[in-house]
Amino acid sequence: RKEVEQDPGPFNVPEGATVAFNCTYSNSASQSFFWYRQDCRKEPKLLMSVYSSGNEDGRFTAQLNRASQYISLLIRDSKLSDSATYLCVVNPGGYQKVTFGTGTKLQVIP
Amino acid sequence: EAGVAQSPRYKIIEKRQSVAFWCNPISGHATLYWYQQILGQGPKLLIQFQNNGVVDDSQLPKDRFSAERLKGVDSTLKIQPAKLEDSAVYLCASSLERGQPQHFGDGTRLSIL
Repeated sequence: RKEVEQDPGPFNVPEGATVAFNCTYSNSASQSFFWYRQDCRKEPKLLMSVYSSGNEDGRFTAQLNRASQYISLLIRDSKLSDSATYLCVVNPGGYQKVTFGTGTKLQVIP
Repeated sequence: EAGVAQSPRYKIIEKRQSVAFWCNPISGHATLYWYQQILGQGPKLLIQFQNNGVVDDSQLPKDRFSAERLKGVDSTLKIQPAKLEDSAVYLCASSLERGQPQHFGDGTRLSIL
Protein backbone atom coordinates (compact mmCIF):
# COMPACT_ATOMS: atom_id res chain seq x y z
CA ARG A 1 0.00 0.00 0.00
CA LYS A 2 1.31 3.47 -0.86
CA GLU A 3 2.10 5.78 2.03
CA VAL A 4 -0.34 8.41 0.77
CA GLU A 5 -2.92 7.88 -1.96
CA GLN A 6 -5.19 10.23 -3.84
CA ASP A 7 -7.51 9.78 -6.80
CA PRO A 8 -5.77 11.72 -9.56
CA GLY A 9 -9.06 12.71 -11.22
CA PRO A 10 -9.75 14.86 -13.08
CA PHE A 11 -12.93 15.85 -11.34
CA ASN A 12 -14.97 17.96 -13.77
CA VAL A 13 -17.74 19.77 -11.92
CA PRO A 14 -20.08 22.64 -12.83
CA GLU A 15 -19.87 25.99 -11.10
CA GLY A 16 -21.79 25.97 -7.85
CA ALA A 17 -21.41 22.24 -7.28
CA THR A 18 -20.07 20.60 -4.15
CA VAL A 19 -17.08 18.32 -4.57
CA ALA A 20 -15.13 16.17 -2.14
CA PHE A 21 -11.70 14.57 -2.28
CA ASN A 22 -10.24 11.89 -0.06
CA CYS A 23 -6.66 11.07 0.78
CA THR A 24 -5.73 7.81 2.47
CA TYR A 25 -2.54 7.21 4.44
CA SER A 26 -0.86 4.04 5.66
CA ASN A 27 0.99 5.16 8.80
CA SER A 28 -1.50 5.07 11.66
CA ALA A 29 0.87 7.11 13.84
CA SER A 30 0.78 10.11 11.49
CA GLN A 31 0.44 13.33 13.42
CA SER A 32 -0.26 16.29 11.18
CA PHE A 33 -2.12 16.69 7.93
CA PHE A 34 -2.52 19.47 5.40
CA TRP A 35 -4.20 20.29 2.12
CA TYR A 36 -2.28 22.29 -0.48
CA ARG A 37 -3.42 23.78 -3.74
CA GLN A 38 -1.16 23.83 -6.78
CA ASP A 39 -1.92 25.78 -9.94
CA CYS A 40 -0.36 24.78 -13.23
CA ARG A 41 3.38 25.50 -13.27
CA LYS A 42 3.25 27.12 -9.84
CA GLU A 43 4.45 26.09 -6.40
CA PRO A 44 2.10 24.40 -3.89
CA LYS A 45 0.34 26.79 -1.54
CA LEU A 46 -1.12 25.91 1.82
CA LEU A 47 -4.90 25.69 1.68
CA MET A 48 -5.58 24.52 5.20
CA SER A 49 -4.39 22.37 8.04
CA VAL A 50 -6.55 19.41 9.04
CA TYR A 51 -7.50 19.16 12.70
CA SER A 52 -8.83 16.12 14.52
CA SER A 53 -12.19 17.76 15.16
CA GLY A 54 -12.54 18.93 11.57
CA ASN A 55 -12.23 22.53 10.47
CA GLU A 56 -13.81 24.93 8.05
CA ASP A 57 -12.52 27.94 6.16
CA GLY A 58 -15.22 29.62 4.13
CA ARG A 59 -16.34 27.20 1.43
CA PHE A 60 -13.70 24.64 2.38
CA THR A 61 -14.08 21.93 5.02
CA ALA A 62 -11.36 19.49 6.04
CA GLN A 63 -11.88 16.38 8.10
CA LEU A 64 -9.71 13.65 9.57
CA ASN A 65 -10.84 10.07 10.10
CA ARG A 66 -8.13 8.35 12.12
CA ALA A 67 -10.00 5.05 12.37
CA SER A 68 -10.14 4.65 8.59
CA GLN A 69 -6.91 6.58 8.02
CA TYR A 70 -8.04 9.20 5.59
CA ILE A 71 -8.48 12.94 5.35
CA SER A 72 -11.03 14.69 3.21
CA LEU A 73 -11.55 18.09 1.62
CA LEU A 74 -15.00 19.38 0.77
CA ILE A 75 -15.47 22.39 -1.48
CA ARG A 76 -18.92 23.96 -1.55
CA ASP A 77 -20.26 26.33 -4.22
CA SER A 78 -17.33 25.68 -6.56
CA LYS A 79 -15.88 28.65 -8.42
CA LEU A 80 -13.97 28.67 -11.69
CA SER A 81 -10.96 29.87 -9.68
CA ASP A 82 -11.01 26.66 -7.65
CA SER A 83 -9.68 24.79 -10.71
CA ALA A 84 -6.30 23.43 -9.60
CA THR A 85 -4.61 20.31 -8.29
CA TYR A 86 -5.21 19.57 -4.62
CA LEU A 87 -2.41 17.83 -2.76
CA CYS A 88 -2.67 16.20 0.63
CA VAL A 89 0.32 16.06 2.96
CA VAL A 90 0.84 13.57 5.76
CA ASN A 91 3.46 14.13 8.44
CA PRO A 92 4.26 11.14 10.65
CA GLY A 93 6.26 13.30 13.01
CA GLY A 94 9.56 12.58 14.67
CA TYR A 95 12.29 11.62 12.20
CA GLN A 96 9.97 10.09 9.61
CA LYS A 97 9.61 11.79 6.28
CA VAL A 98 6.70 13.97 5.28
CA THR A 99 4.84 12.66 2.22
CA PHE A 100 2.76 14.39 -0.42
CA GLY A 101 0.01 12.66 -2.33
CA THR A 102 0.11 12.72 -6.11
CA GLY A 103 -2.71 15.26 -6.19
CA THR A 104 -6.30 15.38 -7.39
CA LYS A 105 -7.05 17.60 -10.35
CA LEU A 106 -10.21 19.67 -10.19
CA GLN A 107 -11.70 21.44 -13.19
CA VAL A 108 -14.68 23.68 -12.54
CA ILE A 109 -16.74 24.17 -15.69
CA PRO A 110 -18.86 27.26 -16.47
CA GLU B 1 7.39 38.75 5.68
CA ALA B 2 9.70 37.69 2.87
CA GLY B 3 8.94 34.28 1.41
CA VAL B 4 11.22 31.42 0.50
CA ALA B 5 13.74 32.52 -2.11
CA GLN B 6 15.14 30.15 -4.69
CA SER B 7 17.54 30.57 -7.57
CA PRO B 8 17.89 30.12 -10.42
CA ARG B 9 14.32 29.97 -11.75
CA TYR B 10 15.34 28.01 -14.82
CA LYS B 11 18.36 25.93 -15.75
CA ILE B 12 19.20 24.00 -18.88
CA ILE B 13 22.23 21.73 -18.90
CA GLU B 14 23.48 18.72 -20.79
CA LYS B 15 23.57 15.29 -19.22
CA ARG B 16 26.66 14.54 -17.16
CA GLN B 17 27.09 18.22 -16.29
CA SER B 18 26.75 19.58 -12.77
CA VAL B 19 24.17 21.99 -11.40
CA ALA B 20 23.48 23.67 -8.08
CA PHE B 21 20.37 25.25 -6.63
CA TRP B 22 20.16 27.71 -3.80
CA CYS B 23 17.44 28.30 -1.22
CA ASN B 24 16.96 30.95 1.44
CA PRO B 25 14.12 30.01 3.81
CA ILE B 26 11.79 32.31 5.69
CA SER B 27 13.64 33.96 8.55
CA GLY B 28 13.38 31.95 11.75
CA HIS B 29 12.21 28.74 10.09
CA ALA B 30 14.13 25.82 11.55
CA THR B 31 13.01 23.17 9.07
CA LEU B 32 13.99 23.20 5.41
CA TYR B 33 12.91 20.76 2.72
CA TRP B 34 14.03 20.01 -0.83
CA TYR B 35 11.53 18.34 -3.15
CA GLN B 36 11.68 17.02 -6.68
CA GLN B 37 8.46 17.33 -8.65
CA ILE B 38 8.16 15.55 -11.98
CA LEU B 39 5.34 16.65 -14.28
CA GLY B 40 2.03 15.08 -13.27
CA GLN B 41 3.29 13.85 -9.91
CA GLY B 42 3.26 15.17 -6.37
CA PRO B 43 6.40 16.62 -4.82
CA LYS B 44 8.84 13.93 -3.66
CA LEU B 45 10.90 14.74 -0.57
CA LEU B 46 14.62 14.56 -1.26
CA ILE B 47 15.99 15.84 2.03
CA GLN B 48 14.74 17.51 5.18
CA PHE B 49 16.91 19.59 7.50
CA GLN B 50 16.24 20.61 11.07
CA ASN B 51 18.52 23.60 11.58
CA ASN B 52 21.76 22.31 10.04
CA GLY B 53 21.14 18.61 10.75
CA VAL B 54 19.58 16.08 8.38
CA VAL B 55 16.22 14.66 9.52
CA ASP B 56 15.56 12.50 6.48
CA ASP B 57 17.42 11.88 3.23
CA SER B 58 16.11 8.40 2.48
CA GLN B 59 14.94 9.38 -1.02
CA LEU B 60 18.02 11.37 -2.00
CA PRO B 61 20.06 9.59 -4.73
CA LYS B 62 23.29 10.02 -2.86
CA ASP B 63 25.50 8.81 -5.70
CA ARG B 64 24.71 12.03 -7.58
CA PHE B 65 22.79 14.39 -5.31
CA SER B 66 24.13 16.25 -2.32
CA ALA B 67 22.73 18.97 -0.11
CA GLU B 68 23.94 21.07 2.75
CA ARG B 69 22.60 23.67 5.10
CA LEU B 70 25.58 25.26 6.72
CA LYS B 71 24.81 27.57 9.65
CA GLY B 72 21.22 26.39 9.61
CA VAL B 73 19.94 29.05 7.21
CA ASP B 74 20.61 28.92 3.45
CA SER B 75 20.81 25.61 1.66
CA THR B 76 22.24 24.32 -1.60
CA LEU B 77 21.29 21.22 -3.54
CA LYS B 78 23.74 19.85 -6.09
CA ILE B 79 23.45 17.27 -8.83
CA GLN B 80 26.65 15.80 -10.24
CA PRO B 81 26.52 14.32 -12.82
CA ALA B 82 23.02 15.03 -14.12
CA LYS B 83 20.94 12.39 -15.88
CA LEU B 84 18.03 12.85 -18.27
CA GLU B 85 15.58 11.62 -15.60
CA ASP B 86 16.59 14.51 -13.32
CA SER B 87 14.52 16.88 -15.46
CA ALA B 88 11.99 18.22 -12.98
CA VAL B 89 11.07 21.17 -10.83
CA TYR B 90 13.12 21.41 -7.64
CA LEU B 91 11.16 23.00 -4.84
CA CYS B 92 12.49 24.33 -1.57
CA ALA B 93 10.16 24.79 1.39
CA SER B 94 10.54 25.84 4.99
CA SER B 95 8.46 25.59 8.13
CA LEU B 96 8.76 27.07 11.59
CA GLU B 97 9.27 23.62 13.05
CA ARG B 98 8.78 19.99 12.01
CA GLY B 99 5.12 19.18 11.56
CA GLN B 100 4.16 22.77 10.87
CA PRO B 101 2.78 24.05 7.53
CA GLN B 102 5.38 24.44 4.82
CA HIS B 103 5.89 27.50 2.66
CA PHE B 104 7.33 26.97 -0.80
CA GLY B 105 9.63 28.94 -3.02
CA ASP B 106 8.90 29.40 -6.72
CA GLY B 107 11.05 26.39 -7.62
CA THR B 108 13.81 25.80 -10.16
CA ARG B 109 12.78 24.23 -13.43
CA LEU B 110 15.63 21.99 -14.59
CA SER B 111 15.88 20.63 -18.11
CA ILE B 112 18.51 18.08 -19.04
CA LEU B 113 19.41 17.81 -22.73
